[in-house]
Amino acid sequence: GAVVSQHPSWVICKSGTSVKIECRSLDFQATTMFWYRQFPKQSLMLMATSNEGSKATYEQGVEKDKFLINHASLTLSTLTVTSAHPEDSSFYICSAARLARESEQFFGPGTRLTVL
Amino acid sequence: GQQVMQIPQYQHVQEGEDFTTYCNSSTTLSNIQWYKQRPGGHPVFLIQLVKSGEVKKQKRLTFQFGEAKKNSSLHITATQTTDVGTYFCAGNTGGFKTIFGAGTRLFVKA
Repeated sequence: GAVVSQHPSWVICKSGTSVKIECRSLDFQATTMFWYRQFPKQSLMLMATSNEGSKATYEQGVEKDKFLINHASLTLSTLTVTSAHPEDSSFYICSAARLARESEQFFGPGTRLTVL
Repeated sequence: GQQVMQIPQYQHVQEGEDFTTYCNSSTTLSNIQWYKQRPGGHPVFLIQLVKSGEVKKQKRLTFQFGEAKKNSSLHITATQTTDVGTYFCAGNTGGFKTIFGAGTRLFVKA
């Protein structure tokens, strides 16, 4: 149990285009989902926390207009990188948590984004 | 702001040797989790510690939570090549936000 999928697993796009990444909890209801960014050989940096049906809470320094997060249902959250630039290239990982157990996170496999 | 510091950054061991990674938080934690990330993979939840002074074991792995709930450790006895990866601690102060340590990369030489 507690499986989280992420799609796509990798994407290459041209500078200026937008990319949507999906995060799904396959066998449980995720009241809270988290989006992280991880640079090579570095730790996970929390970008935003999203709760189903409400606006995401962004961490300081993360542009909400650039990284659009939608948590439309208890099993799906999406991250859209708008007008992507090469500096947005990174490994994006989502995680999902159950109600009242937000500290126990189950991670998706991640999405490798490369912006040319 | 809240910080979670983790040491060492890297550890090279010979197979069969023990390994320990340490985490220290600048603030008192409600709980702490440990994750393992294999090279090229994603973090996998290992365990959560909640109580002051708590000690939990999973086979060769021993997890401790300090009395003051500001530090934690992960100890692996007799490492194996399958233990290779990066071990992250992640501290939570009671809200939704979890702060990850920088991670300790473990290399095991056969």
